[in-house]
Amino acid sequence: VQLEESGGGLVEPGGSLRLSCAASGFIFSNYAMNWVRQAPGRGLEWVACISSRGSYTYYADHADSMRGRFTISRDNAENSLFLQINRLRADDTAVYYCTRDPGFQFNSPHMDVWGQGTTVTVSS
Amino acid sequence: SYELTQPPSLSVSPGQTARITCSGDKLPKQYTYWYQQKPGQAPVEVIYKDTERPSGIPERFSGSSSGTTVTLTIRGVQAEDEADYYCQSSDNSGTYVIFGGGTKLTVL
Repeated sequence: VQLEESGGGLVEPGGSLRLSCAASGFIFSNYAMNWVRQAPGRGLEWVACISSRGSYTYYADHADSMRGRFTISRDNAENSLFLQINRLRADDTAVYYCTRDPGFQFNSPHMDVWGQGTTVTVSS
Repeated sequence: SYELTQPPSLSVSPGQTARITCSGDKLPKQYTYWYQQKPGQAPVEVIYKDTERPSGIPERFSGSSSGTTVTLTIRGVQAEDEADYYCQSSDNSGTYVIFGGGTKLTVL
């Protein structure tokens, strides 16, 4: 069971980025998936979740700083998860983790498998 | 907004018991999960559904729940247990995820 993120890098404020996560070793289409981020020296912050078939998406958009700028999607045929981030801000600088969620379908989301993360740096 | 509260830090000597708490007013209605994160590494789930231990996690790790507080207990702490520990739960609908602020466990 493995998750491998890619797509991070240095981006100027206001720019966009699309992160990818390649899944292997399990039936990807059976699981909801999440993105979680961690700013330097800070704690874990949930970003978004997508149901197993992609029918439902949820975002941490109660946080003003994140509202409306993130889009989570998936391609079950390619065993891939994506996160599109627009209008990037300096406080989006973080390691972004892709995680598997076996509990979402039972209304108890959690993360039993994590990737190693991809680093996004927003700076001019 | 809903918050989970953890102590920022905890120090214990090797062989002692570490108890890390997590408080939140919705915890009686939703399961809590615990993650261990060592420096430079991705988090690892060490407790799920309040008290269950995933395969491969040492028996010295256990979880308990009482009202609005859940506790991660590490008995016979070892040097390798030095890490940041995060609790995680969700809102009443089970769709929004919330993490506690994390507790840095130092093994003296």
